[in-house]
Amino acid sequence: NAGVTQTPKFQVLKTGQSMTLQCAQDMNHEYMSWYRQDPGMGLRLIHYSVGAGITDQGEVPNGYNVSRSTTEDFPLRLLSAAPSQTSVYFCASRDFATNEKLFFGSGTQLSVL
Amino acid sequence: RKEVEQDPGPFNVPEGATVAFNCTYSNSASQSFFWYRQDCRKEPKLLMSVYSSGNEDGRFTAQLNRASQYISLLIRDSKLSDSATYLCRTDSWGKFQFGAGTQVVVTP
Repeated sequence: NAGVTQTPKFQVLKTGQSMTLQCAQDMNHEYMSWYRQDPGMGLRLIHYSVGAGITDQGEVPNGYNVSRSTTEDFPLRLLSAAPSQTSVYFCASRDFATNEKLFFGSGTQLSVL
Repeated sequence: RKEVEQDPGPFNVPEGATVAFNCTYSNSASQSFFWYRQDCRKEPKLLMSVYSSGNEDGRFTAQLNRASQYISLLIRDSKLSDSATYLCRTDSWGKFQFGAGTQVVVTP
C-alpha cells in the first residue's frame, strides 16, 4: 500500500519556467489537497479537491493551477514560476469517513531562481 | 493575526525531563484538534488527536482548554528521538489550520 506518492522530491526552476508536481494516492480518498510550507508560516493550503472533477481554492492559490480528472491523481501546476514560490510542497489526502487523519506525501522541495 | 499560533522555540530539554508547550487558536468554531510531529522538513505525521477530556498516549499527554482556546502537549521522560518540530492542527467544519510548529531539541 503506497499511500500518497509525490514527485519529484527536489526541483530547481528558473523564473518563468513551468512545471507540474505530481500527487497520487491509492486509498480511494475523496479529499486531496496541496500545501506549501515556509519558515515561520506553517502549512498553508493552496488548492483542494473533494472529488473527481471538483477543485477549489485554498488560502494561497495565486500562481497555481490544479485539476482532478481521476480520484487517484491531483497534480499541481506552476505556469510561470516565481522566486516567491520557493517552498516545500506537500500533497495530502483524507477519507471523509475517517475525518481525522490526513495522509501526507513525502514532500517536494522547490527552488525558483 | 494567525488563526493558529505556536511558540517556535526551540525548547531545549535534557534527556529524561518533561517539556510542555501550547498552541492557541482564534476560531472558536474549531471542533477538532491534533498534534503532528515533523522531522527535518519531512512530511508531518499524526502524533495524536486531542479530546475534550484530555488524553494520553504513552509519554505524551494532550489537553484542550476551550475557554482559553488553546491545546497543549506534554512530553514526559524525553528521549533523544523526541527531537522534532511539533505542529498543531485545528479543524473547523472541514477547514484545516496548521500552526507553524514548536521545535523541541532533546539533549543528552
